[in-house]
Amino acid sequence: DVKVTQSSRYLVKRTGEKVFLECVQDMDHENMFWYRQDPGLGLRLIYFSYDVKMKEKGDIPEGYSVSREKKERFSLILESASTNQTSMYLCASISGGTTFGGAFFGQGTRLTVV
Amino acid sequence: AQSVTQPDIHITVSEGASLELRCNYSYGATPYLFWYVQSPGQGLQLLLKYFSGDTLVQGIKGFEAEFKRSQSSFNLRKPSVHWSDAAEYFCAVGSTSGTYKYIFGTGTRLKVLA
Repeated sequence: DVKVTQSSRYLVKRTGEKVFLECVQDMDHENMFWYRQDPGLGLRLIYFSYDVKMKEKGDIPEGYSVSREKKERFSLILESASTNQTSMYLCASISGGTTFGGAFFGQGTRLTVV
Repeated sequence: AQSVTQPDIHITVSEGASLELRCNYSYGATPYLFWYVQSPGQGLQLLLKYFSGDTLVQGIKGFEAEFKRSQSSFNLRKPSVHWSDAAEYFCAVGSTSGTYKYIFGTGTRLKVLA
């Protein structure tokens, strides 16, 4: 069974903390994505990566950075957490090339910044 | 720029009635198109996808969608809705060249009346 695993289901952090959200996939997918999901706003793309050490900004990258040192792992970093980053964060992976297909999602991390 | 619009935030239908959820996209060529469903407290599940060929695609749970290039639309349909279809539905667009940017619409929440 294919898997995308996010390191935490729930997190509570303080304003100003540096926060790491980890995502691991076991499908050897080239493409990995970080979204945040907020009511009424759908899933908004923060960053994506199409290869190891390669990354591109999505639609709302401000306040975030990412790291992809290994193909299976894609980390989202909140450099200095703020209350407006309280949200559900979803990681996804997608195969590339001619097998480009539907996204496989992790279970989500609900982050609360206090 | 790549974008997805789901013009209906909420839709209410009676059980047994037909359903159509609207999705419009903006992209320079024909993109990859997807519909996902998210039940309360659950992750996103792929319903169906369109890459090329037949413009009417069949998916799981009795859903289908039709790609209309002239209208830049990819509407989701179901002939007879079941109470278990109550959920949030997301349309997504994937780029077909370069890096695989993959973005979602804001979602349509479906309510089913018994």
